[in-house]
Amino acid sequence: AQSVAQPEDQVNVAEGNPLTVKCTYSVSGNPYLFWYVQYPNRGLQFLLKYITGDNLVKGSYGFEAEFNKSQTSFHLKKPSALVSDSALYFCAVRDTGTNNNDMRFGAGTRLTVKP
Amino acid sequence: GAGVSQSPSNKVTEKGKDVELRCDPISGHTALYWYRQSLGQGLEFLIYFQGNSAPDKSGLPSDRFSAERTGGSVSTLTIQRTQQEDSAVYLCASSLGNRAYGYTFGSGTRLTVV
Repeated sequence: AQSVAQPEDQVNVAEGNPLTVKCTYSVSGNPYLFWYVQYPNRGLQFLLKYITGDNLVKGSYGFEAEFNKSQTSFHLKKPSALVSDSALYFCAVRDTGTNNNDMRFGAGTRLTVKP
Repeated sequence: GAGVSQSPSNKVTEKGKDVELRCDPISGHTALYWYRQSLGQGLEFLIYFQGNSAPDKSGLPSDRFSAERTGGSVSTLTIQRTQQEDSAVYLCASSLGNRAYGYTFGSGTRLTVV
């Protein structure tokens, strides 16, 4: 079955610095990869996805993510962090090699951006 | 509707009681999913509906949990004889049927079993 790992529970960065939130995955076929963000007391919001094509995908709020097949990774990045980016971030995967249509989520990484 | 609507937003119930959580997906979305988010934890898949197909119930943690989706739209998640470990935020999401589409999540129902 597909699975996702987010190795860092917490990431702290200073405002204006680049940020990276790590994600690795395991699938039997090709992956469809997604990033979601959850602000306090809010539902999850879609940020970006990789389905096919360019390995670098751009999403909402200036975020981007790079699909690396050899490393089975899909790290989320932003060149310059904002305090308002502080939130809980989830990586998710769908496995095209199975009949499962549901998405499996990582445990989440809490990003804190300090002024 | 414009988004995925869940009700109630908060529910406090006594141990042993039954609860029903409701999800109203985006009109036209054929797929509907229930997840559970416990404090400090990731999202745990519970159940998935796709059109008129039999639901994928592989994530339901026990036979106390059940869900139905009437008319391909509104879904109800029922937890019977609630236990304290059932306390969590229950999230519903819907999407178009194609796997390439992401989910749209509701704001969730925070269930507290006392």
